[in-house]
Amino acid sequence: TQLLEQSPQFLSIQEGENLTVYCNSSSVFSSLQWYRQEPGEGPVLLVTVVTGGEVKKLKRLTFQFGDARKDSSLHITAAQPGDTGLYLCHGSSNTGKLIFGQGTTLQVKP
Amino acid sequence: NAGVTQTPKFQVLKTGQSMTLQCAQDMNHEYMSWYRQDPGMGLRLIHYSVGAGITDQGEVPNGYNVSRSTTEDFPLRLLSAAPSQTSVYFCASSYSHKNWFFGPGTRLTVL
Repeated sequence: TQLLEQSPQFLSIQEGENLTVYCNSSSVFSSLQWYRQEPGEGPVLLVTVVTGGEVKKLKRLTFQFGDARKDSSLHITAAQPGDTGLYLCHGSSNTGKLIFGQGTTLQVKP
Repeated sequence: NAGVTQTPKFQVLKTGQSMTLQCAQDMNHEYMSWYRQDPGMGLRLIHYSVGAGITDQGEVPNGYNVSRSTTEDFPLRLLSAAPSQTSVYFCASSYSHKNWFFGPGTRLTVL
């Protein structure tokens, strides 16, 4: 069974701080996506990484795919209250199986 | 485009009742899936489909049935509702197996 483990599960920080969320697996993924979910809504896709070692930036968010395509990280610079939400990583394997991590709940206090 | 739509938004059932959660997408996506989301457990895949007429089981399929007679629709049927099926249900669609578009969710309570 393929598993995606996210850490930390909960994070509460002050506005302006930096943070990193990790998504790890023992399996290789053909691609990995990061989603953000706000209360009462469905997840919204932030980014897809495909190539080992790939780095993508989305404003203050930096996403990295591990060289072996088994792990990924999300780094937020100078967090803002609007970044508050549940961050989910999602791995797609070549067999078509789809797996979500359990999520990281981020709270950014003003 | 409406994207992915789900109905109803809220539902309360009694144990043993059956019902169908509706999901529709207007993006001509081949891939569709159903997830349930429970506190502390993330999103767990119930069933998915890679095209009309083709469905497969996910991680937690027991107690649920699906069918895919058209590209647009992917209903989820609860055969005999149980309190353990109290959850938030999300339908999603994709043009590949990568980038998924999610509906707003159905909040189901089984008493």
